[in-house]
Amino acid sequence: DAEITQSPRHKITETGRQVTLACHQTWNHNNMFWYRQDLGHGLRLIHYSYGVQDTNKGEVSDGYSVSRSNTEDLPLTLESAASSQTSVYFCASSELEDLISTDTQYFGPGTRLTVL
Amino acid sequence: KNQVEQSPQSLIILEGKNCTLQCNYTVSPFSNLRWYKQDTGRGPVSLTIMTFSENTKSNGRYTATLDADTKQSSLHITASQLSDSASYICVVSAFVGQFYFGTGTSLTVIP
Repeated sequence: DAEITQSPRHKITETGRQVTLACHQTWNHNNMFWYRQDLGHGLRLIHYSYGVQDTNKGEVSDGYSVSRSNTEDLPLTLESAASSQTSVYFCASSELEDLISTDTQYFGPGTRLTVL
Repeated sequence: KNQVEQSPQSLIILEGKNCTLQCNYTVSPFSNLRWYKQDTGRGPVSLTIMTFSENTKSNGRYTATLDADTKQSSLHITASQLSDSASYICVVSAFVGQFYFGTGTSLTVIP
């Protein structure tokens, strides 16, 4: 069955270190998204991609970067981790551009990141 | 400012009872509205998606309604089960890549 996976599921790192969170989907979807979820804020969009070599900034993109070299993967990099980036990170994918479509987003299981 | 507000923040109900969750939004322009269920420690799972022209959408015991004029949506859960205990998130889409998430309603169903 098609799925979307994230790794690692849990990560503890130190302030200032570079961290990369992996997201891999086997739906063959064009669109991929990264969100962070914090208590009291709900889910917030970090970056998104509508296809290979395409990346776009979301609402809370500062301190994060993504690259899309193939359809299946969208890794999220924290260039220099900060304590404010302690959060749960979710990756999602969908097929159609969400202009007027009702395309479903499929979410991964999440990565819990702690920055000490 | 584009916002999505959900109420109540948390809710406890007895197994077998019905409940209704609310979502009010100020997002404009409006593309579609989604309800997600998120179990503890897992990613959200889509329950319903409604466009401007749809005012009701059902998925089993879940029924979502949309009033685009008043910018309100509700999610009604019928004959609740213990497995319905989760966070329910309302998401409103505007243009491409613009998703506005509510902070969710935490539902606890007790026996």
